[in-house]
Amino acid sequence: DAKTTQPTSMDCAEGRAANLPCNHSTISGNEYVYWYRQIHSQGPQYIIHGLKNNETNEMASLIITEDRKSSTLILPHATLRDTAVYYCIVRDTGTYKYIFGTGTRLKVLA
Amino acid sequence: DTAVSQTPKYLVTQMGNDKSIKCEQNLGHDTMYWYKQDSKKFLKIMFSYNNKELIINETVPNRFSPKSPDKAHLNLHINSLELGDSAVYFCASSQEVIGDAFFGQGTRLTVV
Repeated sequence: DAKTTQPTSMDCAEGRAANLPCNHSTISGNEYVYWYRQIHSQGPQYIIHGLKNNETNEMASLIITEDRKSSTLILPHATLRDTAVYYCIVRDTGTYKYIFGTGTRLKVLA
Repeated sequence: DTAVSQTPKYLVTQMGNDKSIKCEQNLGHDTMYWYKQDSKKFLKIMFSYNNKELIINETVPNRFSPKSPDKAHLNLHINSLELGDSAVYFCASSQEVIGDAFFGQGTRLTVV
């Protein structure tokens, strides 16, 4: 079972920041937080991952709370092409598998 | 070049048939996966291979048999297809245990 809880859907205006929350209250010390997205019916696409510290790459920023029980994915300037289902995944370093939950359907509005 | 490629992209077949889906990755990764996405859009892992060795088998019916001839390929053979096998099947690969996974574009299987 997925170890994360995400809102079912969110809307965001084009050009604004999209902040996608994720709860993972049962996360353990050796588990990473990953974010993927799936645009329409394409294959899931890796966005970012982190353990404790905040992370940033060319796509997004990941903010993890100090207690690591929740995190937020930030798309700084959302575009229409960012409309997708976003999955927050908690993954143990000792396992090879990603367990996907139901994700958040983000709709970027013109 | 496509990092993870699957063939065919679409597959329509009758119940009872046997079919195969092929997957190839050109990333030099050690680990490959098969995922199934059903009509409700749930993505579930089926199998994982590391260096051609099966490491994850998520209680998938034995009609499904993965085969990894080498590290770059992981094929999925399905015997006696059933209506419930209709889904989109995704292949993926990753380099390390904590490495990010690259997914293929999926194979939409329809069993009629």
